[in-house]
Amino acid sequence: KNQVEQSPQSLIILEGKNCTLQCNYTVSPFSNLRWYKQDTGRGPVSLTIMTFSENTKSNGRYTATLDADTKQSSLHITASQLSDSASYICVVGHQAGTALIFGKGTTLSVSS
Amino acid sequence: DARVTQTPRHKVTEMGQEVTMRCQPILGHNTVFWYRQTMMQGLELLAYFRNRAPLDDSGMPKDRFSAEMPDATLATLKIQPSEPRDSAVYFCASGLVTDGQPPYSNQPQHFGDGTRLSIL
Repeated sequence: KNQVEQSPQSLIILEGKNCTLQCNYTVSPFSNLRWYKQDTGRGPVSLTIMTFSENTKSNGRYTATLDADTKQSSLHITASQLSDSASYICVVGHQAGTALIFGKGTTLSVSS
Repeated sequence: DARVTQTPRHKVTEMGQEVTMRCQPILGHNTVFWYRQTMMQGLELLAYFRNRAPLDDSGMPKDRFSAEMPDATLATLKIQPSEPRDSAVYFCASGLVTDGQPPYSNQPQHFGDGTRLSIL
């Protein structure tokens, strides 16, 4: 069964600290993996999209890594800011391009 | 910045009533998606359109939900009759894919801010 599991479910960190969010998937065959940021009351916003051949992609302080062999991805946030408080959703695309499988997200709270 | 616009932002109504949610995709985008988000299930795909034609609505309860694109600037999602279990946030997203690419290609989807629906 195609699934996407994210961990931790929630995380609290101090402003300025780094953190890493995890995404494990069983989707096969794999097409692409996306990370979205969703602020409270808003729609998801795309952070990164990686294909099978890419193993890292950055967007400012956000860096996503992908290991297609172990079917794992991580999102690393550097020097966290209060505005990073949000839900982060991992989404995996099926190779046929006909389906996207969503994780349930990690809720990040950054405190001062 | 171009944005996907959804209306209404909030809707509260009684069970059995018809609900219509509207979406204005980003001008020039040729793909529209409808999603539902709940705490329990997270995001779920309901339907997607390409060049205004429905390509997949397998995620949608057919007996009560319907999705249409009367023109390139408007997508609608209707629920009739509504039930309490339909309470959720409904998102519309649009994207641009070239001919021959599958709808979930490597192009990003741009989401609206959703319609928060409560059925009493």
